[in-house]
Amino acid sequence: QQPVQSPQAVILREGEDAVINCSSSKALYSVHWYRQKHGEAPVFLMILLKGGEQKGHEKISASFNEKKQQSSLYLTASQLSYSGTYFCGTAAYSGAGSYQLTFGKGTKLSVIP
Amino acid sequence: NAGVTQTPKFQVLKTGQSMTLQCAQDMNHEYMSWYRQDPGMGLRLIHYSVGAGITDQGEVPNGYNVSRSTTEDFPLRLLSAAPSQTSVYFCASSYSWDRVTITGELFFGEGSRLTVL
Repeated sequence: QQPVQSPQAVILREGEDAVINCSSSKALYSVHWYRQKHGEAPVFLMILLKGGEQKGHEKISASFNEKKQQSSLYLTASQLSYSGTYFCGTAAYSGAGSYQLTFGKGTKLSVIP
Repeated sequence: NAGVTQTPKFQVLKTGQSMTLQCAQDMNHEYMSWYRQDPGMGLRLIHYSVGAGITDQGEVPNGYNVSRSTTEDFPLRLLSAAPSQTSVYFCASSYSWDRVTITGELFFGEGSRLTVL
């Protein structure tokens, strides 16, 4: 089951901030965030692990509420290069002895001058 | 630094034909997976593997087969192509220290664009 992302799309002016939310109905082991530009493969931004460990991008931050199975990605002082589609991926137990990583439908972010 | 290599990059098939999308990684990653990407649908998991000899189904496995005989390779087979399988396919791999969890980033291949007529 795909996690749910919101908003579906957002338009920002350079320098503005944005928050992208992600929620799941399953108990999560980790949350991943990726950015994809048109015609390219997704690129890793951040991973948040159960228990509080975070790994990722210097200029982008995120939070993970383990009790609510929710995560938020915070983009501050946006730059033109931030434009793209952002995907959250959630790792949950598959019931077959391993975890599977499923992605939301994405949030299209457009930064304009 | 090859990373994750997918072939072919583009393919056109006729309905009913079969084919194999190849995926190879040189990072010694245990976890490998296949996703399909369609407009407005995000990335949907087809099949994944946590190590050689182990595969499991994802969200949309019907019409696809996989096998994992080596750590490096994870081919995706379309048994009898249908127009609904027209999509962009991504292979991705990640480190998994315990063959259960995914604690590192996913490295994606460049994608394979498949059209079924």
